[in-house]
Amino acid sequence: GAGVSQTPSNKVTEKGKYVELRCDPISGHTALYWYRQSLGQGPEFLIYFQGTGAADDSGLPNDRFFAVRPEGSVSTLKIQRTERGDSAVYLCASSLGGAGNTGELFFGEGSRLTVL
Amino acid sequence: LAKTTQPISMDSYEGQEVNITCSHNNIATNDYITWYQQFPSQGPRFIIQGYKTKVTNEVASLFIPADRKSSTLSLPRVSLSDTAVYYCLVDPMDSSYKLIFGSGTRLLVRP
Repeated sequence: GAGVSQTPSNKVTEKGKYVELRCDPISGHTALYWYRQSLGQGPEFLIYFQGTGAADDSGLPNDRFFAVRPEGSVSTLKIQRTERGDSAVYLCASSLGGAGNTGELFFGEGSRLTVL
Repeated sequence: LAKTTQPISMDSYEGQEVNITCSHNNIATNDYITWYQQFPSQGPRFIIQGYKTKVTNEVASLFIPADRKSSTLSLPRVSLSDTAVYYCLVDPMDSSYKLIFGSGTRLLVRP
């Protein structure tokens, strides 16, 4: 597709369960980002990949959150032992460059996670 | 990273020009100013970016005074479809991936 694709668009789970959210970036974009957005707030940075490696994961809130990008394209955000406070929209973005590049970020529509 | 301050909300009518001003008093020499737009249930979308003076594209204009401590996003002749949240970001060249969004300005365009 032409844009960043995220699946699922909606996920409802129970407290304590494990969740995976997938991001398919724009073809050829080497940089990939995960953000989290709570209701009424702006997106909050979680992690940034340049190629296959996580160049900056300082935004991950705790060790229950983990993300991978094994082949430098698709990325998966993994959340273990989900808590109600994890409920938010998880946004993925990609760009041609990365750190040091002021090019724009292209965002997907997000995955809305609800933890009951 | 510089902190930005912008109005929480603004109202306008179709056909009017809308100006949203953002303050960034602690902007650094190598920071760019970037604006994003976000519609409900969508991710943010890049609108415009500038360093100083004026930048114009097909969507908006961005005015940046000489001291760069503020910037103004100008939307000419808004329509109902411009109702959205607008974010002002200060974007360091050395870590442009770590965008700090803030809460943005909610623009409501009325008929």
